Amino acid sequence: DPKIIQKPKYLVAVTGSEKILICEQYLGHNAMYWYRQSAKKPLEFMFSYSYQKLMDNQTASSRFQPQSSKKNHLDLQITALKPDDSATYFCASSQEGQGGTGQLYFGEGSKLTVL
Amino acid sequence: QEKVQQSPESLIVPEGAMSSLNCTFSNSASQSIWWYQQHPGKGPEALISIFSNGNKKEGRLTVYLNRASLHVSLHIRDSQPSDSAVYLCAVSMTNSAGNKLTFGIGTRVLVRP
Repeated sequence: DPKIIQKPKYLVAVTGSEKILICEQYLGHNAMYWYRQSAKKPLEFMFSYSYQKLMDNQTASSRFQPQSSKKNHLDLQITALKPDDSATYFCASSQEGQGGTGQLYFGEGSKLTVL
Repeated sequence: QEKVQQSPESLIVPEGAMSSLNCTFSNSASQSIWWYQQHPGKGPEALISIFSNGNKKEGRLTVYLNRASLHVSLHIRDSQPSDSAVYLCAVSMTNSAGNKLTFGIGTRVLVRP
């Protein structure tokens, strides 16, 4: 059974619209992340959360807003969508601090296409 | 900003042969170096990590790290068709802002039966 659930797996949006990507992890981890993978580019770090608090934000645009309603949830809201936002967005989690290995576990991704 | 470069871009090996992948990174203060495997349409999955200079062996995988030359390599012994995937090198930095991985663009490995 997948331990990190991302929804939806595929989505198509029009330029200017808004979408929310859902992520839930059932590994009991205390840290969650969003990464983006665009065509011919490396997997790119976007955000990290620890105990539902934002730890690091490497996304220049405020159009990307993470939302953590529960400790095992980290959704990603994207507003005013642009074609350049087309990518696969991966949610990940890890156990940080004492007893943690630092290993990231990834979901299967949400592939976003903006027309 | 950390930079991670991988070579070769792609690799074709016959079944049973050794696959050898290379990775260089820019920051000697980087912590662990990870290798991830990614199959099409799936998320990356961690294979092995190394922190100290030297080598580490797990099953068919061996990793070599040389911090002085900022170089790490992954070797897959007795490659199998199921090993066909993209292999991502990732450098870990943990600080007060948490854990962050910087990835290379990957090496695509195809193992021919």
